[in-house]
Amino acid sequence: RKEVEQDPGPFNVPEGATVAFNCTYSNSASQSFFWYRQDCRKEPKLLMSVYSSGNEDGRFTAQLNRASQYISLLIRDSKLSDSATYLCVVPRGGGGGGNKLTFGTGTQLKVEL
Amino acid sequence: GAVVSQHPSWVICKSGTSVKIECRSLDFQATTMFWYRQFPKQSLMLMATSNEGSKATYEQGVEKDKFLINHASLTLSTLTVTSAHPEDSSFYICSARGQGQGLYLGADTQYFGPGTRLTVL
Repeated sequence: RKEVEQDPGPFNVPEGATVAFNCTYSNSASQSFFWYRQDCRKEPKLLMSVYSSGNEDGRFTAQLNRASQYISLLIRDSKLSDSATYLCVVPRGGGGGGNKLTFGTGTQLKVEL
Repeated sequence: GAVVSQHPSWVICKSGTSVKIECRSLDFQATTMFWYRQFPKQSLMLMATSNEGSKATYEQGVEKDKFLINHASLTLSTLTVTSAHPEDSSFYICSARGQGQGLYLGADTQYFGPGTRLTVL
């Protein structure tokens, strides 16, 4: 299994739809996880951190399944402005901070009218 | 808070020249800075980790003599691409991790600069 694996997409969805992305990781000792958003030719920006079973922030929900070693990102009521690449990020170390980050290749989302 | 700047935002140079990229943390002290490279349609790949006042540690396969990193202060790290060649053309992004007054920075959270797009002719 790759360190971090994502479906590259693209996911083309209509505005208002609900869309979910999955990400699998190989390091069972990982304690924290991140979803970053990257717009074309821009730097990644932190979207959500996940430290326990999940996290919710407005239209965005991240869930963690440690037994199966995957995290998901759910976007409800998609907006045109949500179009971007979503990067799943996992610290390399076992947790506790100070770790390097491993980035997935990203899942591209295109929200259409 | 937690703003990271990079300069220049883009640069075009001739093959064989050296290019210096600066990364600054504007409102917090960056005890650790990271340098990444991203080729088109690929993920970010960590090149090196630099801690203030010490030598950078490079990832496997990254030539330390070609990519010189200096982290002289808690707010500034520089990456110099020496004798650049067309295959070095890429998007170089720095990130910073550290502590700042009034900010909570999770233990593994990194904040990214806007990136520098390097094109070597």
